[in-house]
Amino acid sequence: GENVEQHPSTLSVQEGDSAVIKCTYSDSASNYFPWYKQELGKGPQLIIDIRSNVGEKKDQRIAVTLNKTAKHFSLHITETQPEDSAVYFCAATDNYGQNFVFGPGTRLSVLP
Amino acid sequence: ETGVTQSPTHLIKTRGQQVTLRCSSQSGHNTVSWYQQALGQGPQFIFQYYREEENGRGNFPPRFSGLQFPNYSSELNVNALELDDSALYLCASSLTASNEKLFFGSGTQLSVL
Repeated sequence: GENVEQHPSTLSVQEGDSAVIKCTYSDSASNYFPWYKQELGKGPQLIIDIRSNVGEKKDQRIAVTLNKTAKHFSLHITETQPEDSAVYFCAATDNYGQNFVFGPGTRLSVLP
Repeated sequence: ETGVTQSPTHLIKTRGQQVTLRCSSQSGHNTVSWYQQALGQGPQFIFQYYREEENGRGNFPPRFSGLQFPNYSSELNVNALELDDSALYLCASSLTASNEKLFFGSGTQLSVL
């Protein structure tokens, strides 16, 4: 089955700097890769996603890149703000949204 | 537009008991998925319900079961609770079974003593 690894497990950056979180997946059949942000006491919230036929996608300060050959994808956050502090999860699926396999998460702290 | 709501928010049970968790899907969504999130880990897929039937299942034993109702709300039932069942249980709804965008509720924190 699919296995998703995520690095780093914790990340601290100064406000205004960029943050990069990387994930690798094992199943070449996976075709959809979302990123979720989870704040304390809340459920995960979808922040950006990418399909396997696209190499990069950007939404304001957030971007995701996908390298299908190497089976890895990354989340890039620019001009970080304190409200970006949260746990970020990557995920992968090959089956119409069923059975998302999540990474173990990255705790991002943005220091003012 | 109403988001995904789950009840209760917290629950304490003892080993061997049974528990029922409830979820109301986001308005317009007909598919509900359940995930288990252990402390410090990512969510793990339990199963998905579409048109009142189970439409996919992860690696969880049969003592984890569910229901979906005509209004698309859903229940997760866990029998014979074990200590390892202690976790945050998340419900996510999606527009249809083939739509990958999941909208999560805030979860039910289950503690098994």
